[in-house]
Amino acid sequence: GAVVSQHPSWVICKSGTSVKIECRSLDFQATTMFWYRQFPKQSLMLMATSNEGSKATYEQGVEKDKFLINHASLTLSTLTVTSAHPEDSSFYICSARPGQGGYEQYFGPGTRLTVT
Amino acid sequence: GNSVTQMEGPVTLSEEAFLTINCTYTATGYPSLFWYVQYPGEGLQLLLKATKADDKGSNKGFEATYRKETTSFHLEKGSVQVSDSAVYFCALSPDTGRRALTFGSGTRLQVQP
Repeated sequence: GAVVSQHPSWVICKSGTSVKIECRSLDFQATTMFWYRQFPKQSLMLMATSNEGSKATYEQGVEKDKFLINHASLTLSTLTVTSAHPEDSSFYICSARPGQGGYEQYFGPGTRLTVT
Repeated sequence: GNSVTQMEGPVTLSEEAFLTINCTYTATGYPSLFWYVQYPGEGLQLLLKATKADDKGSNKGFEATYRKETTSFHLEKGSVQVSDSAVYFCALSPDTGRRALTFGSGTRLQVQP
C-alpha cells in the first residue's frame, strides 16, 4: 500500500515551453502533497505544499507564477513548469501524506526534466 | 528555522563492516525524525523513523535512536552488504504546522565486496 506515482518519469522540452508533471496517490487519499526539487548529488529542497481544494503554499524563493501547482482532487496534484529554461532542468519529486495531521509522507519516483 | 546536518560522503566500506552515519538537527518543539534511502535510479523510501525522545527506529538491520539531549539521530548498521549501497537522507518533520520535511544533504554509501 501507500504507492505514489509520477508521470512522466522523464521529459525533454524546449526552452520557452511549459511542462506538466502529475503526482498521484494510487491507494490512499492525500489531503496534502509536497513538491521537491533535487539537484544532482544534492538534497531535496521543498518547493511548495499543496492542499486539496486550496492554493499551494510556496517556499521562499520559489516563483509561484513559474511553478504552478494544482491539487485538484484527493489523489492528484500537478506541477506545471511554465516557460521553462535550461536552469529549470532538475529532478522533481512529489510526496503525499494521507489523512489529517500525520507526519508520514510517501514519495513518488521522481520526474527528470531536461530543458534544451 | 529547522535544519538537519549529516556527515558528508561518500562513505566507502567493505562488506560486513560497521556503519555509522551521523545526523544532528536543529528544531523547536518535538519533531519526528526519519531516515530515507534512495537507491540508484529509484525514489526515496522510508527506512526508519522515531517520533519521540529515546525512541529507536529499526528496519532491515539499520537502527537509529532519537537523542534529544544531543539533538542527534545517528544511523547504524552492524554489518553492511553491497546491496546497502545508496544515498541516505536524514530528515525531520516538526510537530506543528504543515509538517513538511526538512532534509539533510544526503550521504552516499558505497559498499565494496
